[in-house]
Amino acid sequence: SQQGEEDPQALSIQEGENATMNCSYKTSINNLQWYRQNSGRGLVHLILIRSNEREKHSGRLRVTLDTSKKSSSLLITASRAADTASYFCATEPSGGSYIPTFGRGTSLIVHP
Amino acid sequence: DAGITQSPRHKVTETGTPVTLRCHQTENHRYMYWYRQDPGHGLRLIHYSYGVKDTDKGEVSDGYSVSRSKTEDFLLTLESATSSQTSVYFCAISDGLARMNTEAFFGQGTRLTVV
Repeated sequence: SQQGEEDPQALSIQEGENATMNCSYKTSINNLQWYRQNSGRGLVHLILIRSNEREKHSGRLRVTLDTSKKSSSLLITASRAADTASYFCATEPSGGSYIPTFGRGTSLIVHP
Repeated sequence: DAGITQSPRHKVTETGTPVTLRCHQTENHRYMYWYRQDPGHGLRLIHYSYGVKDTDKGEVSDGYSVSRSKTEDFLLTLESATSSQTSVYFCAISDGLARMNTEAFFGQGTRLTVV
């Protein structure tokens, strides 16, 4: 079974709007990471948030982490058509080897 | 892009034949992973390696074997390909050394079709 699960599975918005996607996970973690995958390509790392952090920013990306609820959210502000992609969260479980475990992803479509 | 190359990028093979996919890295990273990606399932871990000759199974390892005789190469073998192994296969690497601050780098993927 997969550790992380993204929600929603699909999201369709207009350019300029904000996009929010969520990730829930099951076990305690060292960190949580978000990746982006453009169609037909490999995943690209976006941002990492450690278990002792609550919020992190990178450009138009804002990630939050609530370890008590075992959940994270990724906010993309002022979205662009180029943000159209699938977004995945991955967790590094605490106490063991680093084996990134991915969810099924959120497919984001940003309409120009 | 990180120095990670998958080969071949596309392959069509017949049921019952063995197939080997190669992942080559130039980053000297300790960890290497093989995932498969299928619609509705996301990425699922097949096998991973934490050093030369050190490998372990992932979530969907049945029908697959791996080998890592050198730091830079991680081979995935489908011993006898089946149609259910039609998928896109991704190799990933990470250094696994900087605890609490690791990220994985992905190859471009291999699209395998078993007919």
